[in-house]
Amino acid sequence: SAVISQKPSRDICQRGTSLTIQCQVDSQVTMMFWYRQQPGQSLTLIATANQGSEATYESGFVIDKFPISRPNLTFSTLTVSNMSPEDSSIYLCSVGTGGENTEAFFGQGTRLTVV
Amino acid sequence: GQQVMQIPQYQHVQEGEDFTTYCNSSTTLSNIQWYKQRPGGHPVFLIQLVKSGEVKKQKRLTFQFGEAKKNSSLHITATQTTDVGTYFCAGPDNYGQNFVFGPGTRLSVLP
Repeated sequence: SAVISQKPSRDICQRGTSLTIQCQVDSQVTMMFWYRQQPGQSLTLIATANQGSEATYESGFVIDKFPISRPNLTFSTLTVSNMSPEDSSIYLCSVGTGGENTEAFFGQGTRLTVV
Repeated sequence: GQQVMQIPQYQHVQEGEDFTTYCNSSTTLSNIQWYKQRPGGHPVFLIQLVKSGEVKKQKRLTFQFGEAKKNSSLHITATQTTDVGTYFCAGPDNYGQNFVFGPGTRLSVLP
């Protein structure tokens, strides 16, 4: 199992500003994932954070808007840049691949409101 | 691309009634997982199914994996207010590197 600490748990931000979300895992993991969950919706993968290389972004998400750092095997950050109200959402970090006998573990989530 | 669908989107039941949510994948899955997200919480792993036709039980919850490994169901017997939340199914993506989550079924249980 994995324990993930994510912070902040929530924030209210002014449009045009940026917020950096931190995710700390209690064990070394190869890949970490960042998801966005809009109210009442499912989880949408933003990007995969790889240690020692650039993050891999999903369609519709770009590095300039969501820069990701992965300085080591237990830590990652996601920045939501130049925020607008449309960025209001819950952001979740996760570890665990889709292989057999592996499950996804999630951080507690960051509830972001942009005003 | 790979798609995972779930029905129904919402379900309201009286406490004590049964509940079932269905999950369908556009592709054959090596495994399927179910997660529960309580209101205001994060998704929590419930179970993984791997074998064709597999059935697993957790107390009042029964999980089934279809013979073709493209569909699955979660059945809750005699729901309780503690069952409230959104239930997601998830399968591995085509590369087995991350999960593709279904849209979820939001369950409300009226006392």
